[in-house]
Amino acid sequence: GAVVSQHPSWVICKSGTSVKIECRSLDFQATTMFWYRQFPKQSLMLMATSNEGSKATYEQGVEKDKFLINHASLTLSTLTVTSAHPEDSSFYICSASITGDSNQPQHFGDGTRLSIL
Amino acid sequence: GNSVTQMEGPVTLSEEAFLTINCTYTATGYPSLFWYVQYPGEGLQLLLKATKADDKGSNKGFEATYRKETTSFHLEKGSVQVSDSAVYFCALSTPYNFNKFYFGSGTKLNVKP
Repeated sequence: GAVVSQHPSWVICKSGTSVKIECRSLDFQATTMFWYRQFPKQSLMLMATSNEGSKATYEQGVEKDKFLINHASLTLSTLTVTSAHPEDSSFYICSASITGDSNQPQHFGDGTRLSIL
Repeated sequence: GNSVTQMEGPVTLSEEAFLTINCTYTATGYPSLFWYVQYPGEGLQLLLKATKADDKGSNKGFEATYRKETTSFHLEKGSVQVSDSAVYFCALSTPYNFNKFYFGSGTKLNVKP
């Protein structure tokens, strides 16, 4: 149980285009989802916390107009990288919590590798 | 503030060797502690967790004990296998800020046959 599906797993696109990444909780409802960015051989950097039905909370230094997050239902959150440029190339990972209980683990998707040409 | 510090890698071991990956933390309140594993090109998988002091999390031969007095959560395995080669992340979560997780920098483990 507690499966998180992320799509697409790999995307290559031209500079200036917008890319949407989906994160779905398949067998549970997630009131909170998280979006991370991971650079090669580095740890995960939390970008934002996504709450169903409300605006996302962005971490300091993350451009909210660049990385649009929508959490329209209890099973789906999307991250849209707008007007992507080569420096946005990275591995993006989402996670979801079944409840807001800090004792419960986050469940991670398999990540999306974004390459901007 | 909240933070997690892990030993730097890579850690290279021979098959069947004993593994320890150190993890210490700083936290406000009473955090829950986790170990996650990441295989190449994949997301993170929960390996084990502990939610209060003196709890021991265990899974697939891996163990970690929540030590409040030393603020540590070291990962151990008695006999590693080649298939254990991956990056291991220590993390904590507190009852504040929407269950926000704080991750260590990750430790890469290479196990040689």
